[in-house]
Amino acid sequence: DGGITQSPKYLFRKEGQNVTLSCEQNLNHDAMYWYRQDPGQGLRLIYYSQIVNDFQKGDIAEGYSVSREKKESFPLTVTSAQKNPTAFYLCASSIGPGTALGNEQFFGPGTRLTVL
Amino acid sequence: SQQGEEDPQALSIQEGENATMNCSYKTSINNLQWYRQNSGRGLVHLILIRSNEREKHSGRLRVTLDTSKKSSSLLITASRAADTASYFCARQYSSASKIIFGSGTRLSIRP
Repeated sequence: DGGITQSPKYLFRKEGQNVTLSCEQNLNHDAMYWYRQDPGQGLRLIYYSQIVNDFQKGDIAEGYSVSREKKESFPLTVTSAQKNPTAFYLCASSIGPGTALGNEQFFGPGTRLTVL
Repeated sequence: SQQGEEDPQALSIQEGENATMNCSYKTSINNLQWYRQNSGRGLVHLILIRSNEREKHSGRLRVTLDTSKKSSSLLITASRAADTASYFCARQYSSASKIIFGSGTRLSIRP
């Protein structure tokens, strides 16, 4: 059963703590993405990766970090430098490489992060 | 802003009626995609329409693209309760650029 998974579904963090959100896909996609969604709003791109061991900043990368050591995995770390991290985080992937950025994106179920 | 607009922001219709959502953009696109998001879930891809296409269909969904007006519309015919969701358009402005999501239209289907 192919797909993209995110864990945990809900995550609570104390101020000043770093936290890592997991994203795994078994679709054999080259490109992976992290988005942030705030209530009633669209998606804003945090980071994306078109190939293993390479990633680029999106529109709101400050306070976040990523790694892409394996094709299947693209974890996102929300650092203490992110001033307002409470949000819904969505991971996605698309087939690639090359024109991957414009292809259909497959989304995970999301992780809702709350800072206490 | 390259994002353009989606309208309406919210739409409430009776079950069985048709729903139309619109998406406009400000500069030429390579392709435009529509996605659906049920509350608290991930997005699901519905249709991708390229700049050289004018209309695409998928089941009860019909997407049109008017490049002269820089706009696209998503029509859902014979709406059902299960169509209640937020619908987003995502624009790709060049073949090498990432797609940009709009803020969406929240569709509610009344029984």
